[in-house]
Amino acid sequence: AQSVTQPDIHITVSEGASLELRCNYSYGATPYLFWYVQSPGQGLQLLLKYFSGDTLVQGIKGFEAEFKRSQSSFNLRKPSVHWSDAAEYFCAVGGAGTASKLTFGTGTRLQVTL
Amino acid sequence: GAVVSQHPSRVICKSGTSVKIECRSLDFQATTMFWYRQFPKQSLMLMATSNEGSKATYEQGVEKDKFLINHASLTLSTLTVTSAHPEDSSFYICSAPQRGGYEQYFGPGTRLTVT
Repeated sequence: AQSVTQPDIHITVSEGASLELRCNYSYGATPYLFWYVQSPGQGLQLLLKYFSGDTLVQGIKGFEAEFKRSQSSFNLRKPSVHWSDAAEYFCAVGGAGTASKLTFGTGTRLQVTL
Repeated sequence: GAVVSQHPSRVICKSGTSVKIECRSLDFQATTMFWYRQFPKQSLMLMATSNEGSKATYEQGVEKDKFLINHASLTLSTLTVTSAHPEDSSFYICSAPQRGGYEQYFGPGTRLTVT
């Protein structure tokens, strides 16, 4: 069975500081990995995705993530956080095929202090 | 990019009534759509897979008679919460996968409140 673990429920960083959100996954085949962001009461916005190739992927809003197969991790990073980045972040894993289900982590709530 | 819409965005209904939520892919066809439920401050939990032209596939623990799913066309899936109770109050989100790819496009969600 596939699963995703986001060990940090809540993270607070100062504006301008760097950010790393952790994500570990369990999947029996080649994983397809995603990071989504959700603002309160809103739907999900895709930040970035990894399917294959370069293990460092760039996303929107200055985010990047690195796939490390040996560690089963897909951590999200941003060099300098903006106050508008405060939101809930979800890591998700899926498989091949359009019928593939996504399994989400429990999410990390990011708070940004000014 | 591809767009998925949901209607309504918010709905309040009385206990015991039924409510229908629509999920539409606006600029692409989707033979499969997914329905998720998200309780406050929790993650998204997959409820069911909606299949065009065939029965939906429900995840373990989800009552198929309570959450009726109909995939009427290649662009529309509906979720009907029957005999709703306050514990059904939640945020319901649908998604549709990109044809030929592995990315899913999410709707904006429907906030259901059962009083």
